[in-house]
Amino acid sequence: SAVISQKPSRDICQRGTSLTIQCQVDSQVTMMFWYRQQPGQSLTLIATANQGSEATYESGFVIDKFPISRPNLTFSTLTVSNMSPEDSSIYLCSVRDEVLEKLFFGSGTQLSVL
Amino acid sequence: DAKTTQPTSMDCAEGRAANLPCNHSTISGNEYVYWYRQIHSQGPQYIIHGLKNNETNEMASLIITEDRKSSTLILPHATLRDTAVYYCIAPGPYSGGGADGLTFGKGTHLIIQP
Repeated sequence: SAVISQKPSRDICQRGTSLTIQCQVDSQVTMMFWYRQQPGQSLTLIATANQGSEATYESGFVIDKFPISRPNLTFSTLTVSNMSPEDSSIYLCSVRDEVLEKLFFGSGTQLSVL
Repeated sequence: DAKTTQPTSMDCAEGRAANLPCNHSTISGNEYVYWYRQIHSQGPQYIIHGLKNNETNEMASLIITEDRKSSTLILPHATLRDTAVYYCIAPGPYSGGGADGLTFGKGTHLIIQP
């Protein structure tokens, strides 16, 4: 099974600033996903990040707010730009294991915006 | 993705079998049923998945009805550490490309009572 490391595990940020979250996988994967989990809510898919192509964003999420990089098959970043308190959430990285046909998740980044 | 319906919460006594139901009446013939759980402050953890036949692994058993419109996740001997939110998901078949991340509903909050 894939082992996923996310950094930072938590952060407290000021309104108007940006935070970049890193996701590192211990094996090469084609598809990576970024999710948001607002307080007390379920997970919402932000975007799909495939290496070598632009990320595909879900309805309600835009590249200017959540730019994503996918420079290689083991790494991705999600930036939360121009943050406001409404961006306070847990952000989770996920990868798809195409052999085992399941998703693995990182432990998440707990973001609080003041 | 097929829509899934789960009870909001359930209680189960420690040491007993926990049976978590899920309705997925709109599921198509080639859609798997996946179960994940999320323990507080952690990323979701894969439990089990199946298509038609019942499945069992070291964590749980999955019983799928013959018409595939519903399923039950069984934790045979629940422990306090099984307290978590359990998600039943019926994604479309992975076709590659596009947004193939899982769509999470609200899940069932399972509370194991000592």
